[in-house]
Amino acid sequence: DIQMTQSPSTLSASVGDRVTITCRASQSIGGWLAWFQQRAGTAPKVLIYKASNLESGVPSRFSGSGSGKEFTLTISSLQPDDFATYYCQQYNSYPWTFGQGTNVDIK
Amino acid sequence: QLQLQESGPGLVKPSETLSLTCTVSGGAINSYYWGWIRQPPGKGLEWIASIYYDGSPYYNPSLKSRVAMSVDRSKNQFSLKVNSVTAADTAVYYCARDQGTTGRGGGLDIWGQGTMVTVSS
Repeated sequence: DIQMTQSPSTLSASVGDRVTITCRASQSIGGWLAWFQQRAGTAPKVLIYKASNLESGVPSRFSGSGSGKEFTLTISSLQPDDFATYYCQQYNSYPWTFGQGTNVDIK
Repeated sequence: QLQLQESGPGLVKPSETLSLTCTVSGGAINSYYWGWIRQPPGKGLEWIASIYYDGSPYYNPSLKSRVAMSVDRSKNQFSLKVNSVTAADTAVYYCARDQGTTGRGGGLDIWGQGTMVTVSS
């Protein structure tokens, strides 16, 4: 299985901050990586697919980059709605695997 | 607008079989892969299985011996069975459209709202 490791596990930030979350794969996954946002009590929502493609309807303050084994999710200016947990997920090869999550909370 | 809705019992006894159904509305089940993902309380996400609308399923090796996934095209539904459940199978279970690397390569792009399943006697 491909292991996905996110850092940090928890991130405290303020509205307006630029936030970056990193996801590392245990082997190359090309560009087959998605980022999800999950608010408490709701289903995950896809933000980014194929490493850098913004899902329709997702604000442009979210961006993704990377390829191979290292990827980043950046929120350019954190908004109140963005306090949530973020997961990366590889879909290069089965079994699909997720990172452990990054909780973004209010500083 | 494609929508997915999970259904099934919220409580299952240990050693019994957990059965869930996902109903697809607003579009046909044809031409896509479909998947199941679960999330134990307070923990992260675990992919369980995916299946093409008329093909073979792919299972997570950690669950493969206990899991079965199927598609019913006539009802626009797909299903999951997990047998010999224990408390460790207690989780919110989500169904999702799984584009994987096909088409636009969008992966798990549309999710149901999830259904909580508790394993307890």
